[in-house]
Amino acid sequence: SAVISQKPSRDICQRGTSLTIQCQVDSQVTMMFWYRQQPGQSLTLIATANQGSEATYESGFVIDKFPISRPNLTFSTLTVSNMSPEDSSIYLCSVDQAGGETQYFGPGTRLLVL
Amino acid sequence: SQQGEEDPQALSIQEGENATMNCSYKTSINNLQWYRQNSGRGLVHLILIRSNEREKHSGRLRVTLDTSKKSSSLLITASRAADTASYFCAPAAGAGGTSYGKLTFGQGTILTVHP
Repeated sequence: SAVISQKPSRDICQRGTSLTIQCQVDSQVTMMFWYRQQPGQSLTLIATANQGSEATYESGFVIDKFPISRPNLTFSTLTVSNMSPEDSSIYLCSVDQAGGETQYFGPGTRLLVL
Repeated sequence: SQQGEEDPQALSIQEGENATMNCSYKTSINNLQWYRQNSGRGLVHLILIRSNEREKHSGRLRVTLDTSKKSSSLLITASRAADTASYFCAPAAGAGGTSYGKLTFGQGTILTVHP
Protein backbone atom coordinates (compact mmCIF):
# COMPACT_ATOMS: atom_id res chain seq x y z
CA SER A 1 0.00 0.00 0.00
CA ALA A 2 1.01 3.62 -0.52
CA VAL A 3 2.78 5.47 2.26
CA ILE A 4 1.17 8.84 2.74
CA SER A 5 2.49 11.66 4.89
CA GLN A 6 0.88 14.95 5.83
CA LYS A 7 2.35 18.17 7.16
CA PRO A 8 1.70 19.64 9.60
CA SER A 9 0.31 16.92 11.82
CA ARG A 10 -1.47 19.54 13.89
CA ASP A 11 -1.69 23.28 14.22
CA ILE A 12 -3.40 25.98 16.20
CA CYS A 13 -4.29 29.04 14.15
CA GLN A 14 -5.91 32.39 14.65
CA ARG A 15 -9.15 33.22 12.91
CA GLY A 16 -8.74 35.09 9.64
CA THR A 17 -5.46 33.41 8.78
CA SER A 18 -4.80 30.62 6.26
CA LEU A 19 -3.08 27.28 6.58
CA THR A 20 -1.67 25.10 3.83
CA ILE A 21 -1.59 21.36 4.41
CA GLN A 22 0.75 19.17 2.40
CA CYS A 23 0.17 15.58 1.33
CA GLN A 24 3.04 13.49 -0.01
CA VAL A 25 2.78 9.96 -1.42
CA ASP A 26 5.70 7.59 -1.91
CA SER A 27 4.50 6.51 -5.35
CA GLN A 28 2.71 8.03 -8.30
CA VAL A 29 -1.05 7.90 -7.99
CA THR A 30 -3.80 9.01 -10.29
CA MET A 31 -6.40 10.10 -7.80
CA MET A 32 -5.81 12.18 -4.68
CA PHE A 33 -8.60 13.39 -2.43
CA TRP A 34 -9.12 15.71 0.52
CA TYR A 35 -11.58 14.99 3.32
CA ARG A 36 -12.68 16.90 6.39
CA GLN A 37 -13.75 15.38 9.68
CA GLN A 38 -15.36 17.84 12.05
CA PRO A 39 -15.30 17.06 15.80
CA GLY A 40 -17.38 14.01 16.57
CA GLN A 41 -18.47 13.67 12.96
CA SER A 42 -17.73 11.37 10.07
CA LEU A 43 -15.58 12.16 7.05
CA THR A 44 -16.82 14.39 4.26
CA LEU A 45 -15.15 14.61 0.86
CA ILE A 46 -14.02 18.16 0.07
CA ALA A 47 -12.59 17.69 -3.40
CA THR A 48 -10.66 15.55 -5.83
CA ALA A 49 -7.20 16.90 -6.61
CA ASN A 50 -6.55 16.47 -10.33
CA GLN A 51 -3.02 16.56 -11.68
CA GLY A 52 -2.61 19.31 -14.23
CA SER A 53 -6.10 20.73 -13.87
CA GLU A 54 -8.36 22.37 -11.32
CA ALA A 55 -9.68 20.36 -8.43
CA THR A 56 -13.24 19.04 -8.51
CA TYR A 57 -15.18 20.25 -5.48
CA GLU A 58 -18.10 18.59 -3.76
CA SER A 59 -21.30 20.40 -2.97
CA GLY A 60 -20.81 22.86 -0.15
CA PHE A 61 -17.10 23.39 -0.77
CA VAL A 62 -15.63 26.16 -2.92
CA ILE A 63 -12.24 26.91 -4.36
CA ASP A 64 -11.93 30.31 -2.70
CA LYS A 65 -12.20 28.71 0.72
CA PHE A 66 -10.26 25.52 0.00
CA PRO A 67 -7.79 26.09 -2.84
CA ILE A 68 -6.02 22.90 -3.87
CA SER A 69 -2.84 22.33 -5.85
CA ARG A 70 -1.67 19.10 -7.51
CA PRO A 71 1.61 19.88 -9.24
CA ASN A 72 2.57 16.24 -9.84
CA LEU A 73 1.46 12.66 -9.26
CA THR A 74 2.89 12.38 -5.74
CA PHE A 75 2.02 15.67 -4.07
CA SER A 76 -0.96 17.88 -3.27
CA THR A 77 -1.76 20.79 -0.99
CA LEU A 78 -4.99 21.98 0.57
CA THR A 79 -5.26 25.52 1.89
CA VAL A 80 -7.88 26.45 4.44
CA SER A 81 -8.42 30.16 3.86
CA ASN A 82 -9.70 32.90 6.10
CA MET A 83 -10.22 30.44 8.90
CA SER A 84 -12.94 30.55 11.52
CA PRO A 85 -13.48 28.31 14.55
CA GLU A 86 -15.91 26.26 12.44
CA ASP A 87 -12.94 25.10 10.35
CA SER A 88 -11.52 23.26 13.35
CA SER A 89 -11.35 19.72 12.04
CA ILE A 90 -9.12 16.90 11.02
CA TYR A 91 -8.15 17.19 7.36
CA LEU A 92 -7.15 13.99 5.60
CA CYS A 93 -5.79 13.27 2.18
CA SER A 94 -6.27 9.93 0.49
CA VAL A 95 -5.21 8.18 -2.69
CA ASP A 96 -6.63 5.46 -4.89
CA GLN A 97 -4.44 2.43 -5.49
CA ALA A 98 -4.62 -1.22 -6.36
CA GLY A 99 -6.20 -0.56 -9.72
CA GLY A 100 -8.43 2.07 -8.25
CA GLU A 101 -10.26 -0.24 -5.88
CA THR A 102 -8.63 0.64 -2.61
CA GLN A 103 -8.39 4.08 -1.07
CA TYR A 104 -5.65 4.76 1.47
CA PHE A 105 -5.59 7.65 3.88
CA GLY A 106 -2.87 9.82 5.33
CA PRO A 107 -2.45 10.35 9.09
CA GLY A 108 -4.46 13.55 9.05
CA THR A 109 -3.85 17.15 10.08
CA ARG A 110 -5.60 18.25 13.25
CA LEU A 111 -6.49 21.93 13.01
CA LEU A 112 -7.77 24.11 15.82
CA VAL A 113 -8.86 27.64 15.01
CA LEU A 114 -9.16 30.09 17.88
CA SER B 1 -22.49 8.41 -4.07
CA GLN B 2 -23.14 5.55 -1.72
CA GLN B 3 -23.22 5.83 2.06
CA GLY B 4 -22.73 3.05 4.52
CA GLU B 5 -24.51 3.11 7.84
CA GLU B 6 -22.81 1.30 10.68
CA ASP B 7 -24.54 -0.43 13.54
CA PRO B 8 -24.30 -0.36 16.50
CA GLN B 9 -23.14 3.18 17.13
CA ALA B 10 -21.13 2.02 20.12
CA LEU B 11 -19.94 -1.35 21.35
CA SER B 12 -18.23 -2.11 24.62
CA ILE B 13 -16.69 -5.53 25.28
CA GLN B 14 -14.05 -7.25 27.34
CA GLU B 15 -10.69 -8.29 25.99
CA GLY B 16 -10.86 -11.74 24.43
CA GLU B 17 -14.46 -11.39 23.33
CA ASN B 18 -15.54 -11.12 19.73
CA ALA B 19 -16.87 -7.87 18.28
CA THR B 20 -19.34 -7.72 15.42
CA MET B 21 -20.18 -4.54 13.55
CA ASN B 22 -22.70 -4.22 10.76
CA CYS B 23 -22.97 -2.01 7.74
CA SER B 24 -25.99 -1.40 5.54
CA TYR B 25 -26.20 0.45 2.26
CA LYS B 26 -28.91 1.34 -0.21
CA THR B 27 -27.87 0.70 -3.82
CA SER B 28 -25.76 -1.75 -5.78
CA ILE B 29 -22.03 -1.72 -5.17
CA ASN B 30 -18.85 -2.99 -6.76
CA ASN B 31 -16.93 -3.31 -3.52
CA LEU B 32 -17.02 -2.36 0.13
CA GLN B 33 -14.11 -1.30 2.32
CA TRP B 34 -13.72 -1.30 6.08
CA TYR B 35 -11.52 1.20 7.90
CA ARG B 36 -10.35 1.77 11.45
CA GLN B 37 -9.66 5.16 13.01
CA ASN B 38 -7.79 5.43 16.27
CA SER B 39 -8.58 8.43 18.41
CA GLY B 40 -9.14 11.02 15.67
CA ARG B 41 -6.14 10.05 13.58
CA GLY B 42 -5.93 8.83 9.99
CA LEU B 43 -7.99 5.98 8.65
CA VAL B 44 -6.34 2.60 8.39
CA HIS B 45 -7.56 0.39 5.57
CA LEU B 46 -8.57 -2.99 6.96
CA ILE B 47 -10.09 -5.01 4.18
CA LEU B 48 -11.86 -4.75 0.83
CA ILE B 49 -14.53 -7.18 -0.27
CA ARG B 50 -15.83 -7.24 -3.81
CA SER B 51 -19.46 -7.65 -4.76
CA ASN B 52 -18.86 -11.18 -6.07
CA GLU B 53 -17.30 -12.27 -2.77
CA ARG B 54 -19.22 -13.43 0.27
CA GLU B 55 -16.51 -13.65 2.89
CA LYS B 56 -12.89 -12.55 3.41
CA HIS B 57 -10.44 -13.07 6.20
CA SER B 58 -7.44 -11.10 7.32
CA GLY B 59 -5.81 -12.18 10.55
CA ARG B 60 -8.41 -11.77 13.30
CA LEU B 61 -10.80 -9.99 10.94
CA ARG B 62 -13.63 -11.62 9.07
CA VAL B 63 -15.81 -9.65 6.70
CA THR B 64 -18.99 -10.91 5.13
CA LEU B 65 -21.06 -9.38 2.37
CA ASP B 66 -24.68 -10.11 1.55
CA THR B 67 -25.59 -8.17 -1.57
CA SER B 68 -29.19 -9.41 -1.48
CA LYS B 69 -29.62 -7.74 1.90
CA LYS B 70 -27.26 -4.88 1.06
CA SER B 71 -25.31 -5.47 4.22
CA SER B 72 -21.85 -6.33 5.43
CA SER B 73 -20.43 -7.31 8.76
CA LEU B 74 -17.00 -7.04 10.33
CA LEU B 75 -16.08 -9.57 12.98
CA ILE B 76 -13.03 -9.06 15.16
CA THR B 77 -12.17 -12.24 17.02
CA ALA B 78 -10.32 -12.43 20.35
CA SER B 79 -10.38 -8.66 20.71
CA ARG B 80 -7.58 -6.70 22.35
CA ALA B 81 -7.48 -3.34 24.06
CA ALA B 82 -5.55 -2.06 21.02
CA ASP B 83 -8.63 -2.73 18.87
CA THR B 84 -10.35 0.19 20.61
CA ALA B 85 -11.18 2.55 17.75
CA SER B 86 -13.93 3.76 15.45
CA TYR B 87 -14.78 1.49 12.55
CA PHE B 88 -16.24 2.70 9.26
CA CYS B 89 -17.53 0.96 6.19
CA ALA B 90 -17.34 2.54 2.75
CA PRO B 91 -19.41 1.01 -0.05
CA ALA B 92 -18.25 1.97 -3.54
CA ALA B 93 -20.35 1.90 -6.67
CA GLY B 94 -17.92 3.50 -9.10
CA ALA B 95 -17.50 2.07 -12.58
CA GLY B 96 -15.00 -0.75 -12.81
CA GLY B 97 -14.90 -1.10 -9.06
CA THR B 98 -13.17 2.23 -8.55
CA SER B 99 -14.33 4.61 -5.94
CA TYR B 100 -13.39 7.77 -7.86
CA GLY B 101 -13.21 9.33 -4.42
CA LYS B 102 -16.90 8.93 -3.86
CA LEU B 103 -16.58 7.31 -0.49
CA THR B 104 -19.35 8.51 1.78
CA PHE B 105 -18.87 7.51 5.38
CA GLY B 106 -21.48 6.94 8.04
CA GLN B 107 -21.00 7.78 11.69
CA GLY B 108 -19.08 4.60 12.36
CA THR B 109 -19.10 2.18 15.25
CA ILE B 110 -17.09 3.16 18.31
CA LEU B 111 -15.58 -0.01 19.74
CA THR B 112 -14.20 -0.03 23.26
CA VAL B 113 -12.31 -3.10 24.41
CA HIS B 114 -11.72 -3.21 28.16
CA PRO B 115 -8.57 -4.93 29.44
